Amino acid sequence: AQSVAQPEDQVNVAEGNPLTVKCTYSVSGNPYLFWYVQYPNRGLQFLLKYITGDNLVKGSYGFEAEFNKSQTSFHLKKPSALVSDSALYFCAVSRASGGSYIPTFGRGTSLIVHP
Amino acid sequence: EPEVTQTPSHQVTQMGQEVILRCVPISNHLYFYWYRQILGQKVEFLVSFYNNEISEKSEIFDDQFSVERPDGSNFTLKIRSTKLEDSAMYFCASKGPSGNSNTGELFFGEGSRLTVL
Repeated sequence: AQSVAQPEDQVNVAEGNPLTVKCTYSVSGNPYLFWYVQYPNRGLQFLLKYITGDNLVKGSYGFEAEFNKSQTSFHLKKPSALVSDSALYFCAVSRASGGSYIPTFGRGTSLIVHP
Repeated sequence: EPEVTQTPSHQVTQMGQEVILRCVPISNHLYFYWYRQILGQKVEFLVSFYNNEISEKSEIFDDQFSVERPDGSNFTLKIRSTKLEDSAMYFCASKGPSGNSNTGELFFGEGSRLTVL
């Protein structure tokens, strides 16, 4: 079965500093990987995805993520955090072929950016 | 920008009562999903729906759950006899008719919070 681990319940960072939100995954075969963000009282919004090709993918709001196959990781990064980035971030994985294509989500990481 | 809408935003019900959660997916989308999130836990897949039938369901989606798309726009989740452990945020999502249905991202509604007393 496929799974996602987000080892940190909460990440705190000062505005202007770089941020990293960690994600590791487990899946048979090649993965499709996604990051979603949830602002208070809103649904999950798509940020970026890795399907194939370049390991570094860029997404909305200046976020990027790096696919690392050997470490089975897909950490979310941003060079300079904004207070408005404070939200709940979800990593998700699905299989590239065979079996279930349904995305499996992690439990989310709360990002708090301090002014 | 088109969006997925869900109603009600919050429902409180007594244990054993039936609940219907409603969703209006994005109009040209073909794949529909229900997920739920119990407070503090991960977002869990319940069911996916395509071409007017369930395409996949999790072990959570037992006989007390059902889904239907009665009129081509609404997508509903019914819980026949609610239990305390059904208390959660329920998210509806849809996905468009991309070339490869497996690579497209999901579009989520804002969720319906269900509280079972």
